[in-house]
Amino acid sequence: DVKVTQSSRYLVKRTGEKVFLECVQDMDHENMFWYRQDPGLGLRLIYFSYDVKMKEKGDIPEGYSVSREKKERFSLILESASTNQTSMYLCASSPVGQGFKNIQYFGAGTRLSVL
Amino acid sequence: GQNIDQPTEMTATEGAIVQINCTYQTSGFNGLFWYQQHAGEAPTFLSYNVLDGLEEKGRFSSFLSRSKGYSYLLLKELQMKDSASYLCAVRDSRNNAGNMLTFGGGTRLMVKP
Repeated sequence: DVKVTQSSRYLVKRTGEKVFLECVQDMDHENMFWYRQDPGLGLRLIYFSYDVKMKEKGDIPEGYSVSREKKERFSLILESASTNQTSMYLCASSPVGQGFKNIQYFGAGTRLSVL
Repeated sequence: GQNIDQPTEMTATEGAIVQINCTYQTSGFNGLFWYQQHAGEAPTFLSYNVLDGLEEKGRFSSFLSRSKGYSYLLLKELQMKDSASYLCAVRDSRNNAGNMLTFGGGTRLMVKP
């Protein structure tokens, strides 16, 4: 089974802190994604990466950055956390080349509260 | 851009059938996914449609009409464990290598005894 692991289930941070959210996948997937999930808004893509050191902005990248130094690990960074970044953050990974499905597999999420 | 609509909440009875609709507008359609998400858990893949028609997988079926920008997820013989959120997601062709998905807001299904 594919396993996507997010380092923390719950995090509480203060406004202005630098926050790191870590995600590791064990299936050698090329693609990795960071989403945030808010009630009524669904999942919104923040950033994705299609290879080591490669990244592209999603729909809501403002206030976030990412790092992918190794294929299995994709980090989301909040340079200076703000209260409007309080949310559930979900990481996903997917293969490429398996026909046209390329299913995304999700981690359990990190619920971040910024006070 | 993309716009995906699905009902916010639905309620159904154990043993019954329920249909969750999803409509979408996209600039370049390249497949539609349905995911199930139990409260506090990761979304898990349910089904994938890229051609018109019905895909059946056990108690769950998914239908797609590309010309109408419409899909539905059909759940038969409902069980209490089917109480969850159901997420409709569309993949567009703007970056096929990146496999980007756009999600609807999700439909929270409550199954009652």
